[in-house]
Amino acid sequence: QSVLTQPPSVSGAPGQTVTISCTGSGSNIGAGYDVHWYQQLPGTAPKLLIYDNNNRPSGVPDRFSGSRSGTSASLAITGLQAEDEADYYCQSHDSRVTGSRVFGTGTKVAVL
Amino acid sequence: EVQLVETGGGLIQPGGSLRLSCEASGFIVSTKFMSWVRQAPGKGLEWVSVSYSDAETYYADSVRGRFSISRDNSKNTLYLQMSGLRVEDTARYYCARERAAQSNANAFDLWGQGTMVTVSS
Repeated sequence: QSVLTQPPSVSGAPGQTVTISCTGSGSNIGAGYDVHWYQQLPGTAPKLLIYDNNNRPSGVPDRFSGSRSGTSASLAITGLQAEDEADYYCQSHDSRVTGSRVFGTGTKVAVL
Repeated sequence: EVQLVETGGGLIQPGGSLRLSCEASGFIVSTKFMSWVRQAPGKGLEWVSVSYSDAETYYADSVRGRFSISRDNSKNTLYLQMSGLRVEDTARYYCARERAAQSNANAFDLWGQGTMVTVSS
């Protein structure tokens, strides 16, 4: 099982703001390792959405923002749009396994 | 065009072996950390292995001792040799490039389309 826990699903109406949490521990997020976020549309490969906690790659709308505090991180989507309906994953490193990369459990965002 | 293209997936019996390939274009594989990530049907993402170089590689506990990651810099290609395959290894396997070659907590900034591996008798 993953060491990073996310809520299975969140939902919101178009235009609203939704927030996805990513809860870790002292061996990953709490140790100061960067957190990244990915969006996976149905039937496609994941796409980098946020890197190094709060940075957006070129082309990612500023409706998406990330933050990290203590042993958790969050992804916020403001002005929710129908095209945002997808699965979202956080990712970091866990020091208990040398060289490991760890993903969150994933969150399905539904646009009502 | 910068892209990753995975090949080599298929149907394999439990205990069998398979080699996946990931051909890169538009950048040089030897200058990057490269990983394999898998996703079982209907499930989440699971990191499998990373190659920092030919000499430095790491694996998830679930595959250590059975899978081996390598690269052929002359072909700009990453490989995943899988042996002792189990039903629970059934997944789509993605090749992914890390955006920096400097730490254990890099983001994956480029993904292939994946190749499906099905382990079944």
